[in-house]
Amino acid sequence: ETGVTQTPRHLVMGMTNKKSLKCEQHLGHNAMYWYKQSAKKPLELMFVYNFKEQTENNSVPSRFSPECPNSSHLFLHLHTLQPEDSALYLCASSQIKNIQYFGAGTRLSVL
Amino acid sequence: GQQVMQIPQYQHVQEGEDFTTYCNSSTTLSNIQWYKQRPGGHPVFLIQLVKSGEVKKQKRLTFQFGEAKKNSSLHITATQTTDVGTYFCAGRWTGRRALTFGSGTRLQVQP
Repeated sequence: ETGVTQTPRHLVMGMTNKKSLKCEQHLGHNAMYWYKQSAKKPLELMFVYNFKEQTENNSVPSRFSPECPNSSHLFLHLHTLQPEDSALYLCASSQIKNIQYFGAGTRLSVL
Repeated sequence: GQQVMQIPQYQHVQEGEDFTTYCNSSTTLSNIQWYKQRPGGHPVFLIQLVKSGEVKKQKRLTFQFGEAKKNSSLHITATQTTDVGTYFCAGRWTGRRALTFGSGTRLQVQP
């Protein structure tokens, strides 16, 4: 148990669906991250939030929409995804510039 | 953009053999971290190197940071089946908050 909880662990969705991934950290950290992990790009940084403010968006398509209501919670809202978006989505948290603690991930399949 | 190149992509060894993975950056890093991801798991922090020429050991694992702070290596002596997994380096440059992960080296250990 790393102190970072992701739900759901598995998700299957159609291309027209809207779903959300949730991440919660119990470590008192002030930075949270979304990563995409696939066979093509093992650990691809998507978004970074520091003190609830988005500080990085690595050219992620608008069909992925992050939300960080407070320093402990991070969401990734998904809509009209493509089959190539199927991957493991990992959330991580850290104190700024420090060690990252990862959640177990959400395995997403887009049909 | 800035990248961290990691080699090899994959290595298969007999139990008891040594293993090394290498990371290189074209520009000077502020620091570098190493993570291990077991099959089906999530990345777990191993160590952080900050100083030029730094060498750190954790039991059979030896981590090095180059004098120019552009390269790093992880060496495992006498591998065991518990070493199986993917090893990632992650570099940070001055002025950038987020880490950039290498592509990882997947280690398979034959008993």
